[in-house]
This record gives sequence, C-alpha cells and structure tokens, in this order.
Amino acid sequence: NAGVMQNPRHLVRRRGQEARLRCSPMKGHSHVYWYRQLPEEGLKFMVYLQKENIIDESGMPKERFSAEFPKEGPSILRIQQVVRGDSAAYFCASSPPNSRVETQYFGPGTRLLVL
Amino acid sequence: DQQVKQNSPSLSVQEGRISILNCDYTNSMFDYFLWYKKYPAEGPTFLISISSIKDKNEDGRFTVFLNKSAKHLSLHIVPSQPGDSAVYFCAASAQAYSGAGSYQLTFGKGTKLSVIP
Repeated sequence: NAGVMQNPRHLVRRRGQEARLRCSPMKGHSHVYWYRQLPEEGLKFMVYLQKENIIDESGMPKERFSAEFPKEGPSILRIQQVVRGDSAAYFCASSPPNSRVETQYFGPGTRLLVL
Repeated sequence: DQQVKQNSPSLSVQEGRISILNCDYTNSMFDYFLWYKKYPAEGPTFLISISSIKDKNEDGRFTVFLNKSAKHLSLHIVPSQPGDSAVYFCAASAQAYSGAGSYQLTFGKGTKLSVIP
C-alpha cells in the first residue's frame, strides 16, 4: 500500500508565477489536509478537503491560494502570483473517513522556493 | 500566537542514555497530544499520543508524560539510539470539540535530537 505521494518534491518559481502542488492520498483515504511549514517554524494547518468538497479552509491565506480535491485525480494546492514569503515546505496528509487525528498520514512534502 | 511551544531547538544525547523532549501549550481546549518524528526530506511520522485523561502513555522505548495543571508534556526515549536522530514535533488537537478542533493539528517548532554513538 503506497503512502501519501506528493509531487513535485522540489519546485522553483520566480515571483509572479503560479505554483501547483499535487497530493495523491493513500488508497482508501478520502480526506486530505494541507499544512505549510515556513522556515524555522512548525507545520500550520491550511485546508481540509473531502472529495469535491472544501470542509475547512480557515488556515488558507485569503488571496492567491486555492485548493481542490476532484472526484478523480489528486488534490491540488494552487498558489497564484507567488511571492518570496511563499517559500516553504508544503505537506499533505490523508486519512480515512471518521478516523482519529493520528491517522493523518503525511506525505514527504513539496519544497517551494520562490526566487 | 504560538499555542504549542518547544523551547529547545536542539538536544544532543549519548547513545544508551535518556532523551527528554519538552513541550508546553497554552490553549486549554487542547485535550489530545501527539509526538511526531521527522527525518530530512520526509514527512512527519506519528510516534505516540496521549489523551488529557491520562498522565502517562508508554510504547516500547517511548513514554509521554502529561502534566495538565502545568500545561506541559514531555517525551522520554530510553535508551536512545543513533536512529532516533531526527526532528521531533509536539502537536495538539481538541478532540472533545466537534468541527475544526477534532482534526486540526497545531504543531510546535520542533526539537532536533542528535544521538551520539
């Protein structure tokens, strides 16, 4: 059973470009969470999605950031017009429905560098 | 506002000795606490958890202690092994509350543990 997969693992963008980060949850998992880790910080919750639904986006910046989890395919975290402050590691986690919080399994992360 | 604090950025311990990692929290709504281990270029991996109704939980070489009155928890690793060298994150959630509290994890900044052979 493959774990949570994220790609790309590393992404370099210039200011003003768009970044698309993908997350494929573990088999059988229908819930996806995105966390962001800024340099020298802990992981911070961004958004919680179920298939075709955003359940909680309270941790998402109000502008430029969006997330989706379509019926088919991976979850996408999209950052438009990136700025240097968006440089961070972005982790996706997945869990089965109605599960305990420790069953959020994390992917290896995407390291975004904005030049 | 940091609700989960790990005040030691790093810790070095000799192989075979005890490693003690500390964590403090400020939000009284937190009632479930977790420790994660993270290797470079990997995601965090769940290690051990404790509910606020307990003061101790043990799993092999890992024991977590919770002092609710002090809002403090600690992770003990005995004996420490070189493979334990990693960054350890303390995290908290509010399980007794429906909605966001039950699934949102609030993390500390992490403590980098180095176990010296």
